Amino acid sequence: GESVGLHLPTLSVQEGDNSIINCAYSNSASDYFIWYKQESGKGPQFIIDIRSNMDKRQGQRVTVLLNKTVKHLSLQIAATQPGDSAVYFCAENWNNNAGNMLTFGGGTRLMVKP
Amino acid sequence: DTAVSQTPKYLVTQMGNDKSIKCEQNLGHDTMYWYKQDSKKFLKIMFSYNNKELIINETVPNRFSPKSPDKAHLNLHINSLELGDSAVYFCASGHGTGNYEQYFGPGTRLTVT
Repeated sequence: GESVGLHLPTLSVQEGDNSIINCAYSNSASDYFIWYKQESGKGPQFIIDIRSNMDKRQGQRVTVLLNKTVKHLSLQIAATQPGDSAVYFCAENWNNNAGNMLTFGGGTRLMVKP
Repeated sequence: DTAVSQTPKYLVTQMGNDKSIKCEQNLGHDTMYWYKQDSKKFLKIMFSYNNKELIINETVPNRFSPKSPDKAHLNLHINSLELGDSAVYFCASGHGTGNYEQYFGPGTRLTVT
């Protein structure tokens, strides 16, 4: 699914498969990007981040890829589990002279089928 | 536990009323934020405070007045509540510089009837 604008796309995957969630960001001056996971009734929770001088970063079961040429970010989740079901947000950080500000994408809902 | 906490978790009130939401962080962060999440899950920053000073105000109506008594607290007061204020409000905190990660509270679901 692609996370743009104000709609909430849904990605449905089978348990054990890999998931890829995409995000298009808007500001070429953004220097830092984060992926957040939001479970129902909870606040967003940090998953992984990447700075603009990198194009790939890996964590435990998650990988973030950054393509600055096309302003695209993706989150790959390996061996998706039911506990991964949530809404995922990308966020970009940039300095607007008033301070550093995170701007969030529209979110993608990940549903994991057992 | 180290965390960002908010009270209340749920707030139901009538149009025209005035209400407050409280936020506290014990992470030692200098910067705190308020976000509004609408029914479509779109998350938008409202305010940012650094060491009790307002640094970002994202064209929020002046019915919304944040107050930071110290750098561990950022409260949100809303006057003359309107139906369109119904949303989930999240408080967050972060270092503000260098490491831009923000830690979010559990949210306050505000319903205006």
